[in-house]
Amino acid sequence: EVQLVESGGGLVQPGGSLRLSCVASGFTFSKYAMSWVRQAPGKGLEWVSGITSGDSTFYADSVKGRFTISRDISKNTLYLQMKSLRAEDTALYYCAKSPLTSCYSPSDYWGQGTLVTVSS
Amino acid sequence: DIVMTQSPDSLAVSLGERATINCKSSQSVLYSSNNRNYLAWYQQKPGQPPKLIIYWASTRESGVPDRFSGSGSGTDFTLTISSLQAEDVAVYYCQQYYSTPLTFGPGTKVDIK
Repeated sequence: EVQLVESGGGLVQPGGSLRLSCVASGFTFSKYAMSWVRQAPGKGLEWVSGITSGDSTFYADSVKGRFTISRDISKNTLYLQMKSLRAEDTALYYCAKSPLTSCYSPSDYWGQGTLVTVSS
Repeated sequence: DIVMTQSPDSLAVSLGERATINCKSSQSVLYSSNNRNYLAWYQQKPGQPPKLIIYWASTRESGVPDRFSGSGSGTDFTLTISSLQAEDVAVYYCQQYYSTPLTFGPGTKVDIK
């Protein structure tokens, strides 16, 4: 059974940093692209970043230069390093798996999300 | 960036009746080399993560009831629920995965009339 478990969210001040983690199980983690998708309270879905099986990375313009996606195959873990956080980054952050090696694909499994709140 | 729009914003349908949601992309998401539309539909119920229900515009994900169907090509797409059930109450999002950044539509809320 595919499982994605996010952690690392919390309350952070504007300008601060946070690292999100997503532990994956039930599939060969190295073979698939992965993404982070966020959802602000009461709002819609926003794709944040993706990483291919070959570790090519992609970002939304709103986070480019501030967020870094990476993965550790040995730990079956996906990361999102977030810096220079802003109030508008406040959201529930989902980790999502692709059924393909490429980021040009839908997300077939999702975690439950981890909440990031940026506020002073 | 490809902008996705959806209509209507919300709709209420009687149990057993048809629900139709439209999605439009600002540019074509049809990839000519494989003739595939890079368009997915997700269902999100309150307090839950999104669930993939349709990909390649018309392919139903495993385990999704056949009352859900997707159609369309190029820039115009439709999600149809042929006979609405109580468990289908949710927000439905379309997503293009033709180019990065991947983008979602704003969502359509489906309720029971």
